[in-house]
Amino acid sequence: GENVEQHPSTLSVQEGDSAVIKCTYSDSASNYFPWYKQELGKGPQLIIDIRSNVGEKKDQRIAVTLNKTAKHFSLHITETQPEDSAVYFCAARGNQFYFGTGTSLTVIP
Amino acid sequence: GAVVSQHPSRVICKSGTSVKIECRSLDFQATTMFWYRQFPKKSLMLMATSNEGSKATYEQGVEKDKFLINHASLTLSTLTVTSAHPEDSSFYICSARTPSGAGANVGTDTQYFGPGTRLTVL
Repeated sequence: GENVEQHPSTLSVQEGDSAVIKCTYSDSASNYFPWYKQELGKGPQLIIDIRSNVGEKKDQRIAVTLNKTAKHFSLHITETQPEDSAVYFCAARGNQFYFGTGTSLTVIP
Repeated sequence: GAVVSQHPSRVICKSGTSVKIECRSLDFQATTMFWYRQFPKKSLMLMATSNEGSKATYEQGVEKDKFLINHASLTLSTLTVTSAHPEDSSFYICSARTPSGAGANVGTDTQYFGPGTRLTVL
């Protein structure tokens, strides 16, 4: 089955700095890659996604890049704010959804 | 994005009782719903995949007689924790998969999560 690895597991950045979270996948049939943000005590929320026919997608301060050849994709958050602090999950979908193990992001004011 | 609700958001019960958690897709029909369990500061652990009108598919190590799943309609799936014990205390999250489009929209399905249910068994 699919194996999605996510790094780092924890990340602390100063407010205003950028944060990057990276994921790799193993199934070359994977064609859809969503990212979720989970705040404490809440369910994960879809924040951005990218499909395999696109190399990069941006939505305000967040962007996702995809390298199909290397089978990795990344989440980039620029100008981080304290409210960006949360756990972020990547996922890859082939026949099923497979989730990464999560990254706990802390933005220090 | 699509909306998935869960009820209740919190439940406290005595050991030995059964607890039912509902998951609803509010603005789309979900032929497939998923149930996850999450421990503090841990990732999502898929428990089972629920398909409308058929039996759920359970992940290895998940007791199907303990965690009963019913997906009676395209917008509702329920998880019943039977004879709950303190070790069943956890955060349970459902998700619903949107339908895949056709033609130019093929492969556009995605998953939306509910807000979760905090179960505490005394």
